[in-house]
Amino acid sequence: DQQVKQNSPSLSVQEGRISILNCDYTNSMFDYFLWYKKYPAEGPTFLISISSIKDKNEDGRFTVFLNKSAKHLSLHIVPSQPGDSAVYFCAATGTALIFGKGTTLSVSS
Amino acid sequence: KAGVTQTPRYLIKTRGQQVTLSCSPISGHRSVSWYQQTPGQGLQFLFEYFSETQRNKGNFPGRFSGRQFSNSRSEMNVSTLELGDSALYLCASSLADRGQNIQYFGAGTRLSVL
Repeated sequence: DQQVKQNSPSLSVQEGRISILNCDYTNSMFDYFLWYKKYPAEGPTFLISISSIKDKNEDGRFTVFLNKSAKHLSLHIVPSQPGDSAVYFCAATGTALIFGKGTTLSVSS
Repeated sequence: KAGVTQTPRYLIKTRGQQVTLSCSPISGHRSVSWYQQTPGQGLQFLFEYFSETQRNKGNFPGRFSGRQFSNSRSEMNVSTLELGDSALYLCASSLADRGQNIQYFGAGTRLSVL
């Protein structure tokens, strides 16, 4: 029973365009959400987070939106760059940090 | 500040053997969590240690165990290895007790069971 779902295994975007990665969750008790980026042969790297009391958090090219009523969050990357090509994991904090299965983003130049 | 260090980076074992993986957290971090990553399964939570006590445990069999030392370093042990245990094992450390749980990951230990 997956509590955090990333329904798109992959996403392809052209350089300079917007990348939108989506994440759904089922547990309304989650109070903190995080996005991680992972390159091959490396551990995940923290990207950006959002508290459940907010609906938006921005850090440079990265913005995370939270829609609590829909139990949905999204990560926007604008503009996308080839170096953004990686696997992106959505995670939520309950008693432990619960991860989605990841979305592989490919940004072509 | 040094990041999370995991050793060894790669391991090859055979079925039935046991293995111990090591994790040194970021200095000052008292929480250490372990995850298993397999293709298509994302990161699955194994357990979390805080101040030498197991605080949380995922849905893995008892063959998977861990411990944390007084200096916050942690070890994970897998006994009676099975082929399905082949995976990337990731360790993460965090500063916060609860709530804003930003975890910082090591590069992982790639375990291959033959």
